[in-house]
Amino acid sequence: DVKVTQSSRYLVKRTGEKVFLECVQDMDHENMFWYRQDPGLGLRLIYFSYDVKMKEKGDIPEGYSVSREKKERFSLILESASTNQTSMYLCASSDQTGPHQPQHFGDGTRLSIL
Amino acid sequence: SQELEQSPQSLIVQEGKNLTINCTSSKTLYGLYWYKQKYGEGLIFLMMLQKGGEEKSHEKITAKLDEKKQQSSLHITASQPSHAGIYLCGAQHNNAGNMLTFGGGTRLMVKP
Repeated sequence: DVKVTQSSRYLVKRTGEKVFLECVQDMDHENMFWYRQDPGLGLRLIYFSYDVKMKEKGDIPEGYSVSREKKERFSLILESASTNQTSMYLCASSDQTGPHQPQHFGDGTRLSIL
Repeated sequence: SQELEQSPQSLIVQEGKNLTINCTSSKTLYGLYWYKQKYGEGLIFLMMLQKGGEEKSHEKITAKLDEKKQQSSLHITASQPSHAGIYLCGAQHNNAGNMLTFGGGTRLMVKP
């Protein structure tokens, strides 16, 4: 089974802090994604990556950056956390072997910015 | 996303009853993915549809994609408390990198 592991289930940080959210997948997937999920807004794509050191902006990249130094790891960085970044963050990965590969998700990180 | 609408937003059913959740796209679907999310957890992949008129089943859950490939339905037969959660549809509108646009989700509660 595909395993996508997010480093923390719950995280509390303060405004202005630099926050790192880590995601690791064990299936050698090329694609990795970061979403945030908010009530009434659904899942929104922040950034995604097709390969090591490759990154593409999603729908809401402002205030975030990402890092993909190794194939299995995709990190989301909040450069200077703000209260409006309090949210549920979900990481996903998918294969590139065909056009219809499902995304597999981690358990999520519920981040609170105080 | 306005490109993808799910209905209803929430649903409460009595255990044993059947129910249907709908997902409608404003654009032709290249692929349609159904996921289930337990409260506060990640998404679990249920099934994927790609061909017009396609239907897939897993246990008591059946998903269909219409012939025009713009609408999908998820049907649960004889619902159980274990079916409770949030159901989300994810639309693939092209074949570029498995990108998905998600609907707002349907929150399902099953009363014992």
